[in-house]
Amino acid sequence: GQNIDQPTEMTATEGAIVQINCTYQTSGFNGLFWYQQHAGEAPTFLSYNVLDGLEEKGRFSSFLSRSKGYSYLLLKELQMKDSASYLCAAMDSNYQLIWGAGTKLIIKP
Amino acid sequence: GAVVSQHPSWVICKSGTSVKIECRSLDFQATTMFWYRQFPKQSLMLMATSNEGSKATYEQGVEKDKFLINHASLTLSTLTVTSAHPEDSSFYICSARDDEDRDFYEQYFGPGTRLTVT
Repeated sequence: GQNIDQPTEMTATEGAIVQINCTYQTSGFNGLFWYQQHAGEAPTFLSYNVLDGLEEKGRFSSFLSRSKGYSYLLLKELQMKDSASYLCAAMDSNYQLIWGAGTKLIIKP
Repeated sequence: GAVVSQHPSWVICKSGTSVKIECRSLDFQATTMFWYRQFPKQSLMLMATSNEGSKATYEQGVEKDKFLINHASLTLSTLTVTSAHPEDSSFYICSARDDEDRDFYEQYFGPGTRLTVT
């Protein structure tokens, strides 16, 4: 079956760094997405990885290892506005997104 | 670019009535549209996938006669919740994808519609 696993909740301190892990099992693979979702709002796109390695985009970076079925989202210089849920989603061979349950990130001052 | 709108943003209706939610791609052609439902503190649950001009494909456990989806054009899809009940109260989110254009088939999300059935 297809499955995405990510931690339910994480807590970090303002200004610090946090890494949110995601493991996936899908029928075929066409890339790994990370989305940010604030409470009561729709998800917004953060990153996409299809090749192994690290993609850096400002304070956010995303890493992929296809052989391990593993990805992480790295957030640096955390700000209070980064408090949100972070959704990991893998695209299968039919180009459908398989969603994780989301990781709620709590930032403390 | 790549903006998706939803209307209404929130709606309250009485049990037994029907509610229509519109999803529009404003600046691109949405060959595929997706409808999701999200309950509080839970992740997105895909309800159905629709392609312009054809019948929607529903996920297992989603009643197609209750959740009517019409993807009549390349910029508009509608979800009608028929005979709504309080358990249908949820956050409904649509997303759209231009299969002809995007390298990696990114989905662009609408802002969501919060439905409350009383």
